[in-house]
Amino acid sequence: DAMVIQNPRYQVTQFGKPVTLSCSQTLNHNVMYWYQQKSSQAPKLLFHYYDKDFNNEADTPDNFQSRRPNTSFCFLDIRSPGLGDAAMYLCATSSRQNGEQFFGPGTRLTVL
Amino acid sequence: AQSVAQPEDQVNVAEGNPLTVKCTYSVSGNPYLFWYVQYPNRGLQFLLKYITGDNLVKGSYGFEAEFNKSQTSFHLKKPSALVSDSALYFCAVRDATNAGKSTFGDGTTLTVKP
Repeated sequence: DAMVIQNPRYQVTQFGKPVTLSCSQTLNHNVMYWYQQKSSQAPKLLFHYYDKDFNNEADTPDNFQSRRPNTSFCFLDIRSPGLGDAAMYLCATSSRQNGEQFFGPGTRLTVL
Repeated sequence: AQSVAQPEDQVNVAEGNPLTVKCTYSVSGNPYLFWYVQYPNRGLQFLLKYITGDNLVKGSYGFEAEFNKSQTSFHLKKPSALVSDSALYFCAVRDATNAGKSTFGDGTTLTVKP
C-alpha cells in the first residue's frame, strides 16, 4: 500500500544534542510537509517542499532545518533541541492537484 | 490570508444519535476545505474534501460535510454516531491560489458515549 513512513516512531534526545527525523513516501507526491504538534493542538506547519522548492514558515525557529534529497525522502534536523521542542512531529504529503494531505504516524520527540 | 475556526473544543453525543462538528473559514479566493480525524498517538487521517461541485460531500466512515458559501461554513456530520468515532477532528482550509499550504483549525474532540 502507498503510504507515508516516519522513523523512528519515538525519539529521545538530550538537551542540545542534534537529532534527525526521517520521512519517506511511496505516493510520489510533489509536496512534503513537516508539522509540529503539541498536546492535541492544531498541527503547526514548520516548512514544506513544493518539489525541490523549500518554503519556510516565518515563525519557524532557525534551530529547525530540513532536507529533501529526492522525491521520496524528507528529513527534519533539530540542531540544538530544547525542552520546548518536545512534541509530536508529523510528516505529510500531497499532490499538487488534489490537495488533501496524507500523514505519517508521527515521531514523538522527548528532550531530557 | 486564510483562517479556520472550530468553535467547539468538545462535542458529546450518544451512540446512535446524529453528530455535527462545526467549522467556519475565511479565504480571499475560492476555498478548498478538508476534514481530518486523529486518533491518539497517530497521524491525521483524511476524511473528506470540498473542491468544487456539489455542496454536500460524502467521505469515509459514513461522514459527510456541507459546504455553505454564504455562511462560510463546512460542518462535518454523521447521521448515526458510533463509539469508535470518538477522536480529535480537524477542519482545514486552503485558498485555491495558495498552492500547497493549508491552515488547520484548533480541533474538536468528539466523544460518543454508549
